[in-house]
Amino acid sequence: AQKITQTQPGMFVQEKEAVTLDCTYDTSDPSYGLFWYKQPSSGEMIFLIYQGSYDQQNATEGRYSLNFQKARKSANLVISASQLGDSAMYFCAMRERYNNAGNMLTFGGGTRLMVKP
Amino acid sequence: NAGVTQTPKFQVLKTGQSMTLQCAQDMNHNSMYWYRQDPGMGLRLIYYSASEGTTDKGEVPNGYNVSRLNKREFSLRLESAAPSQTSVYFCASRGPERGEQYFGPGTRLTVT
Repeated sequence: AQKITQTQPGMFVQEKEAVTLDCTYDTSDPSYGLFWYKQPSSGEMIFLIYQGSYDQQNATEGRYSLNFQKARKSANLVISASQLGDSAMYFCAMRERYNNAGNMLTFGGGTRLMVKP
Repeated sequence: NAGVTQTPKFQVLKTGQSMTLQCAQDMNHNSMYWYRQDPGMGLRLIYYSASEGTTDKGEVPNGYNVSRLNKREFSLRLESAAPSQTSVYFCASRGPERGEQYFGPGTRLTVT
């Protein structure tokens, strides 16, 4: 079974509007972390935001927020007031604690976001 | 502060040739990782090093070897390159608190 699923291969959003990128995960480990990364066309991977499984509040970092619904095992990324520079691939990733001495991340397949002017 | 650096940025190899991808980080991180990213896909872990002196296999280790030269440097070697190893290779190191990984700029490798 896929550990991280991103069901939206591509999305469009109008500039200045908000957009939600979906991520669902599968784990039986009670202690885990969820991460979002941005990959612009230049290719680098940029860390955006982190949510721990025991965190009581949803994470926020500037225009990025994470809509964490633990019972549904979803960790959707919300980008407010989209900008043209937000056009990129976005990857969701998870780190489990159990049987993960190397603290490895498992990545989803990504969502390509395109911001329209 | 350079973060994670990788060399080379681009490389073209013929089938059967060997090469080493270099990676260095200046953040004093213990753990380092090598990933590959195939077109239109997410990242897959090749090898990792949880600390200086240790290395372990990831999801797709076949055809690769690694060396953790010291705390800063983690190299990836292709002994006999194959076209299936055409990919973009990323090195990363792990932050100590939340566990986020910081990535290098990547190496685009083509094997003909």
